[in-house]
Amino acid sequence: EVQLVQSGAEVKKTGESLKISCKGSGYSFSSYWIVWVRQMPGKGLEWMGIIYPGDSDTRYSPSFQGQVTISADTSISTAYLQWSSLKASDTAMYYCARVDLDAFEIWGQGTMVTVSS
Amino acid sequence: QAGLTQPPSVSKGLRQTATLTCTGNSNNVGNQGAAWLQQHQGHPPKLLSFRNNNRPSGISERFSASRSGNTASLTITGLQPEDEADYYCSAWDSSLSAYVFGTGTKVTVL
Repeated sequence: EVQLVQSGAEVKKTGESLKISCKGSGYSFSSYWIVWVRQMPGKGLEWMGIIYPGDSDTRYSPSFQGQVTISADTSISTAYLQWSSLKASDTAMYYCARVDLDAFEIWGQGTMVTVSS
Repeated sequence: QAGLTQPPSVSKGLRQTATLTCTGNSNNVGNQGAAWLQQHQGHPPKLLSFRNNNRPSGISERFSASRSGNTASLTITGLQPEDEADYYCSAWDSSLSAYVFGTGTKVTVL
């Protein structure tokens, strides 16, 4: 079964760093783009960026460029989203998804990140 | 970043037909078409269709998608209670070199 399993919920304080993960299984992890998507409480979906694990080619939405870092480790079939200094406005659900034919076909279960002062 | 425009809400009766729209421009919807996602409260989105009217395995034929110019549409026939959800469109924008999402439509089944 093709699936993406994300790391668990996080509660952090402003200014702290964080790295969340998205582990793929059931397919060739290196061969498909992975996207990260933010959903703030009660709001819509926002595309943050994308990575091709095979060669680590990474693109960012202008809205998130410089705010987060996307990476991947093909040896453990895992993609990452990280922050160096969290803000309260980073409180949101974060999803990873596999991309095929320009569609987000397989989604992780989501990681809730709560940032408080 | 620029997004795709969807009506905030659509309400229809049980077993009726709902048509949702997603308006973009020639760089996104008008170029490669759109994909449609369904999201139930508290759950991750699920892909309903891609490249305008291709359905992933397991998606009901009651969901069909189309495109006319820069507007994509999702038609849900025979509305069921389980169709109550938020629906999003998405597309690759060749001028932004980025994916863009629609603003989302909440479907209510009366």
